[in-house]
Amino acid sequence: DIQMTQSPSSLSASVGDRVTITCQASQDISNYLNWYQQKPGKAPKLLIYDASNLETGVPSRFSGSGSGTDFTFTISSLQPEDIATYYCQQYDNLPPGLYTFGQGTKLEIK
Amino acid sequence: QVQLQESGPGLVKPSETLSLTCTVSGGSISSYYWSWIRQPPGKGLEWIGYIYYSGSTNYNPSLKSRVTISVDTSKNQFSLKLSSVTAADTAVYYCARHRLAARLHYMDVWGKGTTVTVSS
Repeated sequence: DIQMTQSPSSLSASVGDRVTITCQASQDISNYLNWYQQKPGKAPKLLIYDASNLETGVPSRFSGSGSGTDFTFTISSLQPEDIATYYCQQYDNLPPGLYTFGQGTKLEIK
Repeated sequence: QVQLQESGPGLVKPSETLSLTCTVSGGSISSYYWSWIRQPPGKGLEWIGYIYYSGSTNYNPSLKSRVTISVDTSKNQFSLKLSSVTAADTAVYYCARHRLAARLHYMDVWGKGTTVTVSS
């Protein structure tokens, strides 16, 4: 199985800061990497798919990059409403296919 | 706007079968894949499996021996059954629309989730 390592597990930043979260896969997953935001008591929300594509309606301050084994999620200017836990999710294309999530990064306002 | 709503018992006894249904509204269940995902209290997300509207399925190997996902297109619903449950199956269970194509492998519409507790 492909292992995903997401870091950091928690992060404290100030409004306006640039925030970066990383996910590393144990083997090449091409661009099969997505990012979700989960606010307390709510369902996850898709932000970025296929490593770098912004889901419709998601603010442009959110972005993703990377391919192969190393991926980055960035918030260019942190807003108070961005307080949440962020998860990466990868797809292992070894048939029949397996979907796994990273451990999550809890983002707080400093 | 497609919406999903989970329903089912909030309390299940150990060794029994957990049964949940997801009702799709605002769109057809046809031509899409549909997933179940769960989240134990204070922990991360675990994909359980998906079903295509035609009935083909794919399950997480870690749960495959206990999971059955089915679909009822006439009711625009799909369902989850998890057998022989233990306290470790206590979680919030989400249903989601699963986009699956050549380069698309993500869940883009989610239900609000339903809490299932396994306890006697």
